[in-house]
Amino acid sequence: GAVVSQHPSWVICKSGTSVKIECRSLDFQATTMFWYRQFPKQSLMLMATSNEGSKATYEQGVEKDKFLINHASLTLSTLTVTSAHPEDSSFYICSGVSTDTQYFGPGTRLTVL
Amino acid sequence: QKEVEQDPGPLSVPEGAIVSLNCTYSNSAFQYFMWYRQYSRKGPELLMYTYSSGNKEDGRFTAQVDKSSKYISLFIRDSQPSDSATYLCAMTLIQGAQKLVFGQGTRLTINP
Repeated sequence: GAVVSQHPSWVICKSGTSVKIECRSLDFQATTMFWYRQFPKQSLMLMATSNEGSKATYEQGVEKDKFLINHASLTLSTLTVTSAHPEDSSFYICSGVSTDTQYFGPGTRLTVL
Repeated sequence: QKEVEQDPGPLSVPEGAIVSLNCTYSNSAFQYFMWYRQYSRKGPELLMYTYSSGNKEDGRFTAQVDKSSKYISLFIRDSQPSDSATYLCAMTLIQGAQKLVFGQGTRLTINP
């Protein structure tokens, strides 16, 4: 199957700072990537759909000014959590689409102190 | 009512047992159904993908879809301790680059 990587795998930051998470498709080109958030013992909740070369589409209730998404190339999408707060602490997972199937990255655990 | 309902468990069974995992859904427009396995602190891994009612088998795994009842299942035969993980059902309206709707996930433990 197709491989998606994320960097970093975990990050700890202070409240009020910004954190950037990278999502890369290693062996395929992903026109579309998705960003999910997963709280402990809960399912994945879609945050936004990222399309290469265009603005991301955010799900209802997700603040687009807080979660900045950039999909500048067919193999890279970034999620920046701006002015992070403790309630933003979560597991962030991206996925890329290859042959009509979503392949997920390993996730990034964000802890905001 | 959630679009997709899945019993979160936890479910604990002895090694070698047959495991049955289930999801129900409310939106009859869902056409494509997937099962993902997620190990702790890892991203989901696609196990099975199907789009028609009936059974699909892959090794020890069988996915079953009943669109008339809006009910899907995943069966694991000869379960192994390495099968211990959270299993997530997911579904989508249209094949391709469309957002998935996930169930809550069932945490499964296979005891040696």
